[in-house]
Amino acid sequence: DAGVIQSPRHEVTEMGQEVTLRCKPISGHNSLFWYRQTMMRGLELLIYFNNNVPIDDSGMPEDRFSAKMPNASFSTLKIQPSEPRDSAVYFCASSLARQGRAGELFFGEGSRLTVL
Amino acid sequence: DAKTTQPNSMESNEEEPVHLPCNHSTISGTDYIHWYRQLPSQGPEYVIHGLTSNVNNRMASLAIAEDRKSSTLILHRATLRDAAVYYCILRDDKIIFGKGTRLHILP
Repeated sequence: DAGVIQSPRHEVTEMGQEVTLRCKPISGHNSLFWYRQTMMRGLELLIYFNNNVPIDDSGMPEDRFSAKMPNASFSTLKIQPSEPRDSAVYFCASSLARQGRAGELFFGEGSRLTVL
Repeated sequence: DAKTTQPNSMESNEEEPVHLPCNHSTISGTDYIHWYRQLPSQGPEYVIHGLTSNVNNRMASLAIAEDRKSSTLILHRATLRDAAVYYCILRDDKIIFGKGTRLHILP
């Protein structure tokens, strides 16, 4: 299995530009999570989806952030406009939940975003 | 906020066992206890999980207290490659990570 695939691995952009991060979960998984990691704040859950439906987006910092999951094999996290404080590593993770029991998370390698 | 409490850092000598503690006094009856670790410059990776009984896998063992308010991750023979941040979390619909324990392995 290819695991969770994220792109791009690295992105450097200027303040005010739009940033789109992409994630392909493990085939057959039905839950998808977006996290952000910084030295100051650690790993923060931004949003998670079950069966392509956003369940909890309370961790999304502000309206500049949006996430979509148009199908079971693809999700995007968009920042528009980007700001220097958005610089972080963004992780996508997927899991399989069955019979009311939530499974372990499998993480991608992350997308390192630098906003100048 | 994270629902678990872990020491900020721990040290161990190479090839010795390591016991990483975690307190989760507010655990509910249906919460699974999950452990993940994050190696430098990598995403977190799953280590082990359990509900009530102790669990073993190829990476580690998980010892769960009888009242389930604490647990201990056991690395039986630490190597330099086990140096990482170890996270103990309670698994419900969403996973909230705390700051974890940074494990240093001394050669």
